[in-house]
Amino acid sequence: DTAVSQTPKYLVTQMGNDKSIKCEQNLGHDTMYWYKQDSKKFLKIMFSYNNKELIINETVPNRFSPKSPDKAHLNLHINSLELGDSAVYFCASSQDRGGYEQYFGPGTRLTVT
Amino acid sequence: KQEVTQIPAALSVPEGENLVLNCSFTDSAIYNLQWFRQDPGKGLTSLLLIQSSQREQTSGRLNASLDKSSGRSTLYIAASQPGDSATYLCAVNPLRASKIIFGSGTRLSIRP
Repeated sequence: DTAVSQTPKYLVTQMGNDKSIKCEQNLGHDTMYWYKQDSKKFLKIMFSYNNKELIINETVPNRFSPKSPDKAHLNLHINSLELGDSAVYFCASSQDRGGYEQYFGPGTRLTVT
Repeated sequence: KQEVTQIPAALSVPEGENLVLNCSFTDSAIYNLQWFRQDPGKGLTSLLLIQSSQREQTSGRLNASLDKSSGRSTLYIAASQPGDSATYLCAVNPLRASKIIFGSGTRLSIRP
């Protein structure tokens, strides 16, 4: 059973389109995250939700809108995609906010052409 | 502001050697430090997590140490194998922040 899953695994789309990436965790965790790994392989936090509430928004363009319909899901919607949005997006979860171990999904490779 | 640095950026060694990967961080106020492995085109695999009160953790051929006061961690890999080839990422979990901060990684290549 996959603990943190993401769909799709690969996403190729054109500039200006709107797309969504879905994330689900079956660990019963309260906190979920989105990270972005750029072309230089550097991983950086984008958003964090705790019990469906936004707790971290790291100066991400407002074209990116996370949505947490319940504790087990954190989806990422991106409007008006730009070339610079091409990256690998990782979802993660932890038991709670703070110092708990984070478990990562397999990543979604987004390519904007 | 917490910054995490990993040196070297890339490392190539022959099979069978013991090796050490280094990680340094600027703020010692952390919950824990975690080492991950990332294979090309793949996700992150957690290798070891060291709580701030611990000095080291071991799993098989891997041993991670933590010196919080000096802001350093090392990942020791014993008897390296070609299957150990991957990028190794160090990440710290700062106090008062619900996120982890990654280093830029060390790309390890083990030559048969």
